[in-house]
Amino acid sequence: DTAVSQTPKYLVTQMGNDKSIKCEQNLGHDTMYWYKQDSKKFLKIMFSYNNKELIINETVPNRFSPKSPDKAHLNLHINSLELGDSAVYFCASSRSRGSATYEQYFGPGTRLTVT
Amino acid sequence: GENVEQHPSTLSVQEGDSAVIKCTYSDSASNYFPWYKQELGKRPQLIIDIRSNVGEKKDQRIAVTLNKTAKHFSLHITETQPEDSAVYFCASPRKFSGGYNKLIFGAGTRLAVHP
Repeated sequence: DTAVSQTPKYLVTQMGNDKSIKCEQNLGHDTMYWYKQDSKKFLKIMFSYNNKELIINETVPNRFSPKSPDKAHLNLHINSLELGDSAVYFCASSRSRGSATYEQYFGPGTRLTVT
Repeated sequence: GENVEQHPSTLSVQEGDSAVIKCTYSDSASNYFPWYKQELGKRPQLIIDIRSNVGEKKDQRIAVTLNKTAKHFSLHITETQPEDSAVYFCASPRKFSGGYNKLIFGAGTRLAVHP
């Protein structure tokens, strides 16, 4: 099942480092998302892009910067990593038509551990 | 607020029993109510969803009911099996600027089905 893929699956790094997570979807969707899932399993949206345009930008530190080079790709770059950034980051995608809401397809997740 | 309240946070049942998880939302304009299942170490996956023009939807052993007046919707799993053990999330869309929607997830219910 490679509809939504993420790399890497695991990421262990030290505080202060900069790292990137990549996401690709082959479903032809035009909306993509980044979610953070903390240790208590709470799913919180961070960003969303529609046709390469940033449409959701939640209250997230400026150290997090998303980038969508095209409709099928959405990357997340994190600067100056902190211990509290440790979590599982999920990419997701969905189709869109006006203001209607559709099923979101999630990637396998990237487990980030900051030491 | 934006919260989607989900109860219970944990649920333990014997194999063959039924399980019910309930969510309450606040935005009366919400019109789409999905349920996601997340197995341990895996991605969230949609198991059933309902739109506001119907009150109930069934798919084999799972069903979702919607009460728009009370602003709550519930997931019903009958004849539970050990493989139903997972974390279940409800969600509800919230409209924001630009006419887009974002999904607000409940905090999750950890269901354990004991043989």
